[in-house]
Amino acid sequence: ETGVTQTPRHLVMGMTNKKSLKCEQHLGHNAMYWYKQSAKKPLELMFVYSLEERVENNSVPSRFSPECPNSSHLFLHLHTLQPEDSALYLCASSQDRGRDYYGYTFGSGTRLTVV
Amino acid sequence: AQSVSQHNHHVILSEAASLELGCNYSYGGTVNLFWYVQYPGQHLQLLLKYFSGDPLVKGIKGFEAEFIKSKFSFNLRKPSVQWSDTAEYFCAVNARGSGNTGKLIFGQGTTLQVKP
Repeated sequence: ETGVTQTPRHLVMGMTNKKSLKCEQHLGHNAMYWYKQSAKKPLELMFVYSLEERVENNSVPSRFSPECPNSSHLFLHLHTLQPEDSALYLCASSQDRGRDYYGYTFGSGTRLTVV
Repeated sequence: AQSVSQHNHHVILSEAASLELGCNYSYGGTVNLFWYVQYPGQHLQLLLKYFSGDPLVKGIKGFEAEFIKSKFSFNLRKPSVQWSDTAEYFCAVNARGSGNTGKLIFGQGTTLQVKP
């Protein structure tokens, strides 16, 4: 375990379903991130939360909706997805800003398949 | 906008061969630089990082990287690879300075296959 836990590990959903991905970190970090990892593409930054506020939204379609209720939890709510949204969704956390920034700790990811 | 470019998409080496993976970034300011590795079926984990000081940094498992500021490069090296180094390697950049979050911008990754 890395200290960042993602659930579920695998998810298969239909295009009309609604599901949520969960990320939890026990590292005391104050920033959390969602990335999309598709085959043969760079990791795509989706959302950045710093001190529980969304500070970045990288032109992500509205069918992806993030939620950060506290500094330890991050959700990604999914609805009416498309097959091209099938990918590995990675959560990461960091202690943002200043001397305590050492880069990310990643979760193991959720492998999402949209059918 | 910041970007990271990894020149090699797929590298195949025999055991004991030397490795060098290229990474260039585009950002004119001060940066933190990282290499992450993803072994098959596992999560991304930190291999090494550069924040300041000696531009030659050493990481885990015998890897090292050299920051050449004039070339905007942070190439990863290992003198002698092992079969267990088979993995995907990602270079990443964090732009330092006011207003910047701790976000990382990643390259597209390099798949390393080491033949026994």
